This record gives sequence, structure tokens and C-alpha cells, in this order.
Amino acid sequence: NAGVTQTPKFQVLKTGQSMTLQCAQDMNHEYMSWYRQDPGMGLRLIHYSVGAGITDQGEVPNGYNVSRSTTEDFPLRLLSAAPSQTSVYFCATSGSGAYEQYFGPGTRLTVT
Amino acid sequence: QQQVKQSPQSLIVQKGGISIINCAYENTAFDYFPWYQQFPGKGPALLIAIRPDVSEKKEGRFTISFNKSAKQFSLHIMDSQPGDSATYFCAARGTGNQFYFGTGTSLTVIP
Repeated sequence: NAGVTQTPKFQVLKTGQSMTLQCAQDMNHEYMSWYRQDPGMGLRLIHYSVGAGITDQGEVPNGYNVSRSTTEDFPLRLLSAAPSQTSVYFCATSGSGAYEQYFGPGTRLTVT
Repeated sequence: QQQVKQSPQSLIVQKGGISIINCAYENTAFDYFPWYQQFPGKGPALLIAIRPDVSEKKEGRFTISFNKSAKQFSLHIMDSQPGDSATYFCAARGTGNQFYFGTGTSLTVIP
């Protein structure tokens, strides 16, 4: 039982490049979310999904896209990376009716 | 605008002492208030949580005190240990299972 996995662990991008951060879970959880963590800012919600085929925006969605074609996977896409997107990104899941969120190990992204 | 305000930003406590971290919120629709613990290089992990119909919850050395009328809640760590040194985040659950996090408190417990 791997729980929540994220790949890659580290990534360096140049401004304007695109990439996809992967998140997968094997807990059959309906809810999945993406957060970014910046010093002094805590964790801020980017996008979230309440089930396959359903996504919605969080506090800081600009510059990011998501899709949820399966229960297990919830990729986060950066279409044109900007230095302001340098951050640590966490994926989290929770089950229906359960409030506890399980976080992945994070992806540290640097945009130069 | 920060939906959940957390203080202090950093805290240094002697081993065996009490660590206290405070959070405040405005949105009365929040219905679940967890605390997360995060070690360097790791994702946050749920430590303890409370619902607004309860004023206190205790799990081992960790206690949440909740004041609904003041819209404040706090984490107390009794008999603090060096292994408790980590960053702590409070959070609140809003509609659509959206969570809003505080800015974090870096706790250092000195042996």
C-alpha cells in the first residue's frame, strides 16, 4: 500500500517551459487536492477534485491546469512556467465522509 | 487574504515545557479544525483535529482547545520533547471539502 505518491521529487524548469506533476493514490479516495507551500504562506489550495471527472479551482489556480480521468490519478500541469511558481507542491487525498487528508511527499520545483 | 491566522511564526521551548500555538478564523461555516505536523522534507501529517461542537480534545501529550465564540483554537503540547521539533500548521475545513491552512509555526525543543 503506497498511499500517496508524487513524481518527480525535484524539478528545475526554465521560464516558459511546461511540465506535469504526477500524483497517484491507491486508497480509493474520492477527494484529491493540490497545494503549494511557500515560506511564510503556509499551504495554499491550487485545484481540487471531488471525484473522477470533477475538478474545481482553489485559492491560487492561475497558471495551473488539472484533470481527473481516474480515481487514482490527479496530475497538475504547468503550461508556461514562471519564477513565481517556484515552490514545493503537495498532493493530498481524503475519503468520502472522512475529513483527514493524507499528503504525498511533495515535489520541489524551481523555475529559473 | 489569510482565512486562518496562526501565531507565533516560531517558538523555542525547553524540553519538558509546554508549547502553545494559536489560530484564529473568521468564517463561521468552517466545520473541522485539524492540526498538521511537518518534518523537513516530508509532507504534513495529521496530528489531532476537533469539530466546533467540542471545546477540548486531548490525545496523549497533544490537546486542542477550541473557543467557538472567539473563533479561536490552539494546540498545546505538554512535556515537549526534542522529537516534537517540527513545523505545525492549523487548518480549517470549508465548503466542498476545501481546507485553509495557517502560515505555520516552527517549533524547536531544546534538550
